[in-house]
Amino acid sequence: GENVEQHPSTLSVQEGDSAVIKCTYSDSASNYFPWYKQELGKRPQLIIDIRSNVGEKKDQRIAVTLNKTAKHFSLHITETQPEDSAVYFCAAFKGGSGTYKYIFGTGTRLKVLA
Amino acid sequence: DGGITQSPKYLFRKEGQNVTLSCEQNLNHDAMYWYRQDPGQGLRLIYYSQIVNDFQKGDIAEGYSVSREKKESFPLTVTSAQKNPTAFYLCASSNTYSNQPQHFGDGTRLSIL
Repeated sequence: GENVEQHPSTLSVQEGDSAVIKCTYSDSASNYFPWYKQELGKRPQLIIDIRSNVGEKKDQRIAVTLNKTAKHFSLHITETQPEDSAVYFCAAFKGGSGTYKYIFGTGTRLKVLA
Repeated sequence: DGGITQSPKYLFRKEGQNVTLSCEQNLNHDAMYWYRQDPGQGLRLIYYSQIVNDFQKGDIAEGYSVSREKKESFPLTVTSAQKNPTAFYLCASSNTYSNQPQHFGDGTRLSIL
């Protein structure tokens, strides 16, 4: 069935260093890939997304890359800050198929050490 | 997001009792979703609806029921058949006409008394 694998499950970095989270999806027809940040006890919030016709997208310290051939996409956070500490989820979506379902990864707990 | 309202924020269920979680959206989205999140875990899809009067089971539908009588509303009932209902429940909505992100509510935390 459809699934999204996300690695690592936990990640600790020093403040100011970069963090990379990787996801691999199984359905080659997936065409939209959002990333969410969830702080403890709160709602997931969209931080960046990418569509399948784009290879890379950047928003200040956050970037996402997509490799459709490998069915692989990654989140890059540069110059990490303590407030970046949270759980990050990737997702894959296949629009236009008649079934509008998002497949989520299992999450990465990022800790930024001051 | 201010466009999705979940209530209540906290809910306690007695054994053998059905409880209903409310989810209302004013974003004019066609699709709505219910997820369950256990501590330290990811999001698991319970039910989703792409249009009024239609819904589909997700990965963990057993012990839950939903209805979609209005576009704005997608209530989730946790029945007594769900033996381990303690979790954080998230409702979400999205457009279906193009690739758009889901918008989430603030969640309902359900516990057993």
